Amino acid sequence: QVQLVESGGGVVQPGRSLRLSCAASGFTFSNYGMHWVRQTPGKGLEWVALILYDGSNKYYADSVKGRFTISRDNSKNTLYLQMNSLRAEDTAVYYCAKDRGSGWYAHDFWGQGALVTVSS
Amino acid sequence: EIVLTQSPGTLSLSPGERATLSCRASQSVSSSYLAWYQQKPGQAPRLLIYGASSRATGIPDRFSGSGSGADFTLTISRLEPEDFAVYYCQQSGSSPQTFGQGTKVEIK
Repeated sequence: QVQLVESGGGVVQPGRSLRLSCAASGFTFSNYGMHWVRQTPGKGLEWVALILYDGSNKYYADSVKGRFTISRDNSKNTLYLQMNSLRAEDTAVYYCAKDRGSGWYAHDFWGQGALVTVSS
Repeated sequence: EIVLTQSPGTLSLSPGERATLSCRASQSVSSSYLAWYQQKPGQAPRLLIYGASSRATGIPDRFSGSGSGADFTLTISRLEPEDFAVYYCQQSGSSPQTFGQGTKVEIK
């Protein structure tokens, strides 16, 4: 069965960095695009970033462009999100999600989420 | 950026009733790239519908999706107690991929 397990969340001061990881299992990781989606407490969903199945292309929301970097290690079945220059408004639950295809389709499996709190 | 507007914001219905949720896009979206998700408190979203009208694995047939162009609809034919939740539409065909703001289906 497909499993996505995020780790690396926590409390961080504004301006600092944090890296999230998402360990994938139960499917051929290198065949699928992967996403990060975040949700501010009590609010809606915001798509953050996409990396295509082979890592060849990456796409970002304007709100994180230039600060966040999505990457993947297909040999380790792991997705990453490097978050730099964190702001209070980046406080959210971060979900990794598997795409149904290369990266431009629905997200058919989601992790349980990792809470990131940016606060001094 | 394609903006998705969902209506209504909240739908108050009783179990057994029919729910009709709307998702309107600021520009045309290919049906292949329109999805619906259900989210319950404390849980990750769950994919219900992809390609505007195809049910995801394990989704009961009381859930159906329809629409094309800029107007899409999620219909729950007869609400079960476990269907009371927040529902989001999403377009994934262009970057940035975007979600609607959600419709909460609550018990009347």
